[in-house]
Amino acid sequence: NAGVMQNPRHLVRRRGQEARLRCSPMKGHSHVYWYRQLPEEGLKFMVYLQKENIIDESGMPKERFSAEFPKEGPSILRIQQVVRGDSAAYFCASSPQLGENTEAFFGQGTRLTVV
Amino acid sequence: DQQVKQNSPSLSVQEGRISILNCDYTNSMFDYFLWYKKYPAEGPTFLISISSIKDKNEDGRFTVFLNKSAKHLSLHIVPSQPGDSAVYFCAASRMDSNYQLIWGAGTKLIIKP
Repeated sequence: NAGVMQNPRHLVRRRGQEARLRCSPMKGHSHVYWYRQLPEEGLKFMVYLQKENIIDESGMPKERFSAEFPKEGPSILRIQQVVRGDSAAYFCASSPQLGENTEAFFGQGTRLTVV
Repeated sequence: DQQVKQNSPSLSVQEGRISILNCDYTNSMFDYFLWYKKYPAEGPTFLISISSIKDKNEDGRFTVFLNKSAKHLSLHIVPSQPGDSAVYFCAASRMDSNYQLIWGAGTKLIIKP
């Protein structure tokens, strides 16, 4: 049973380009969460998705960022017109559901560097 | 506004001794707390959790204590081993917020041989 798979592991983009980060949840998990970690900081919640639905996007910047979790295929976090401040580690987590006694399983992250 | 705080950025402990990592929170509505461990270039891995109805949970060398009146929790590792060297994140959640995890900034634990 493969864990949460994120790709690419490392992504370099020039300012103004688009970044696409992919996350395949663990088998049987229908809940996906995206987090961002800036240097020397903890993880910051961005968005919570279920299949074909965005449940909570309160942590997503209002512009340039979008996320989807289609019926088929991985969840995608898309950042348009990247800026230097978008450089961070982006982690995806999945769970069958989230509640007491349920933890989220994390992928290894995608390190985005904007040059 | 940081709802979950880990005030020690790093902690150094001798191998074999007890490691105590601390976490404070401000929101009394949190009802579930978790500790995650993170190695460099890897995602966080779940370590141990505690519900707000309990004050202690133990799993092998790891024990989490919750003091609700002080809004404080701690993770004890006994005895500390070199493989415990990692960054430890405290996280909290609320049932009425879909159990969305709110994270502390992490504490880097270094176990000295």
